[in-house]
Amino acid sequence: DAGITQSPRHKVTETGTPVTLRCHQTENHRYMYWYRQDPGHGLRLIHYSYGVKDTDKGEVSDGYSVSRSKTEDFLLTLESATSSQTSVYFCAISGRGSDTGELFFGEGSRLTVL
Amino acid sequence: TQLLEQSPQFLSIQEGENLTVYCNSSSVFSSLQWYRQEPGEGPVLLVTVVTGGEVKKLKRLTFQFGDARKDSSLHITAAQPGDTGLYLCAGAENQGGKLIFGQGTELSVKP
Repeated sequence: DAGITQSPRHKVTETGTPVTLRCHQTENHRYMYWYRQDPGHGLRLIHYSYGVKDTDKGEVSDGYSVSRSKTEDFLLTLESATSSQTSVYFCAISGRGSDTGELFFGEGSRLTVL
Repeated sequence: TQLLEQSPQFLSIQEGENLTVYCNSSSVFSSLQWYRQEPGEGPVLLVTVVTGGEVKKLKRLTFQFGDARKDSSLHITAAQPGDTGLYLCAGAENQGGKLIFGQGTELSVKP
């Protein structure tokens, strides 16, 4: 199994509070991604990173920010959580750009915003 | 934005039956991947198809990429309860290295 660890795995928070999800990899892969998964929507890309301090927006980036200060860590932050951000969040890594490379996914972080 | 439509969204069949899942788009993708996801886990790659018209087989699973690289199908022969799960197709955009996922097909195979 690819060495990807997401934390926390489960979190319940209240509307308006900040939340940070962490993705840690031991594979030294260049590319890291954050997706959210909701029923009927598959996986939607929030943000991705193609190197340390190099990040870009995905299709559903509003309300989210990311940081990557080290190769192994990719943080997803919700500055002020809203109920619409209740979801399961998946981190993924790839050794190459995902147009030809396999994505390895973490086990997911289930976030509930009350 | 390129979109991928998967059908059907839900499929419940008996063990031993055959099934096909479709993944369609009006856009061209440089490659297409199929993933399988079990409850409480992340998706796991089954196959990547790159060439238009390409057919790949993985035991009882057959994957096909359309000639125009706009669509793909997954065919399972003699389904087993262990095939139960969420199947996701994902297309690679021509530029940018990002994957676009379909909505998923939830398959339930009853013994």
